[in-house]
Amino acid sequence: EVQLVESGGDLVQPGGSLRLSCAASGFTFSSYWMSWVRQAPGKGLEWVANIRQDGSEKHYVESVKGRFTISRDNAKNSLYLQMDSLRVEDTAVYYCARSLVGWGECVYWGQGALVTVSS
Amino acid sequence: QTVVTQEPSLTVSPGGTVTLTCASSTGAVTSGYHPNWFQQKPGQAPRALIYNINNKHSWTPARFSGSLLGGKAALTLSGVQPEDEAEYYCLLYYGGAQAWVFGGGTKLTVL
Repeated sequence: EVQLVESGGDLVQPGGSLRLSCAASGFTFSSYWMSWVRQAPGKGLEWVANIRQDGSEKHYVESVKGRFTISRDNAKNSLYLQMDSLRVEDTAVYYCARSLVGWGECVYWGQGALVTVSS
Repeated sequence: QTVVTQEPSLTVSPGGTVTLTCASSTGAVTSGYHPNWFQQKPGQAPRALIYNINNKHSWTPARFSGSLLGGKAALTLSGVQPEDEAEYYCLLYYGGAQAWVFGGGTKLTVL
């Protein structure tokens, strides 16, 4: 069974940093693209970033470029999102998601981690 | 800025049929956008329903189908059940930016 468990969500001040982690199990982690998706309170879904199986390719939504960094450790079956220069508008539940071969994006989801940016 | 547009809300009667659409501000949605569809119920993580236009996951009920329709991606529910009441999101791929963009979501009410 595919399992994705996010951790690291917290309350942080504007301008601060936070690192989210996603522990994966139940599948061969190194075989799949992985993504982060966020959802602000009461709002819709926003795709944030994804990373290739070997970490050699990373893509971001424009609003987080230069501030967020997606990475992975295939030996630890873990996905990360380093978030710097956080803004109030980054407040959201952050989901970790796994792709499917054949243009299936974000097929399996974790339960999410809440990040609150507030002074 | 690329915008993906969905109907904000739709209402359907139990047993009825409804089609949700997904449009791109860049023009017609074609196979190269690889549309995906998701269902989200309150307090839950999203659940994937359809990938790459019309491919179902093993857990996707048969009454859900995906297509391209009139320059948009479409999700059709046939024989709607009360449990289909939820928010539905489409997701499109933009190859130039190598990025995915979600639509704003459609709140489907079964009444």
